[in-house]
Amino acid sequence: DVQLVQSGGGLVQPGRSLRLSCTASGLNLGDYAVSWVRQAPGKGLEWIGFIRSKAYGGTTDYAASVKGRFTISRDDSKNLAYLQMNSLKTADTAVYYCTRGRLRFDYWGQGTLVTVSS
Amino acid sequence: EIVLTQSPGTLSLSPGQRATLSCRASQSVSSNYLAWHQHKPGQAPRLLIYDASSRATGIPDRFSGSGSGTDFTLTISRLEPEDFAVYYCQQYGSSPFTFGPGTKVDIK
Repeated sequence: DVQLVQSGGGLVQPGRSLRLSCTASGLNLGDYAVSWVRQAPGKGLEWIGFIRSKAYGGTTDYAASVKGRFTISRDDSKNLAYLQMNSLKTADTAVYYCTRGRLRFDYWGQGTLVTVSS
Repeated sequence: EIVLTQSPGTLSLSPGQRATLSCRASQSVSSNYLAWHQHKPGQAPRLLIYDASSRATGIPDRFSGSGSGTDFTLTISRLEPEDFAVYYCQQYGSSPFTFGPGTKVDIK
């Protein structure tokens, strides 16, 4: 059974950094692209970005709202993907989800809440 | 950036009724790369439909997707109690990938 399990959320002050992790059971995450999506309180879903698998160059793409502040990376030896969030703003407060895939998001993590507040 | 508009914002129906949800794109979606996701409070979203009309693994056949270009539809033929949720369309034909604002299907 495929599962994506997330960790690393919490409360952080504006301007600080936080890293979220996403690991998989039941599949080799290294064989797939990984995407991140978030949902701010009372809002809809927002695509953040993705990282391709190493087989496809491991390249990344980001939404304009996070480009230059957020970095998606992966450690295939640990079956992990990361979302490094720097220079956090109150507007980044949201539940963050990792998903399998670059185009078709067929498996999702359980979500982790990030609260940016002083 | 492709902007997706969903209508109606809220759909109030009874179990057993048919639900028709619309998603309109501001420009043509490349290769009809349009998905529908179901989202319930406190849960992860669930992929229902991809490539506009292909049902994801394990999705009941009461869910169907149709459309092309800029106009897409998700149809739930007979609503079951577990189908009351928010439904988002999402395009992945061109970056940045974007979601619609959602349609809430609630119990009448």
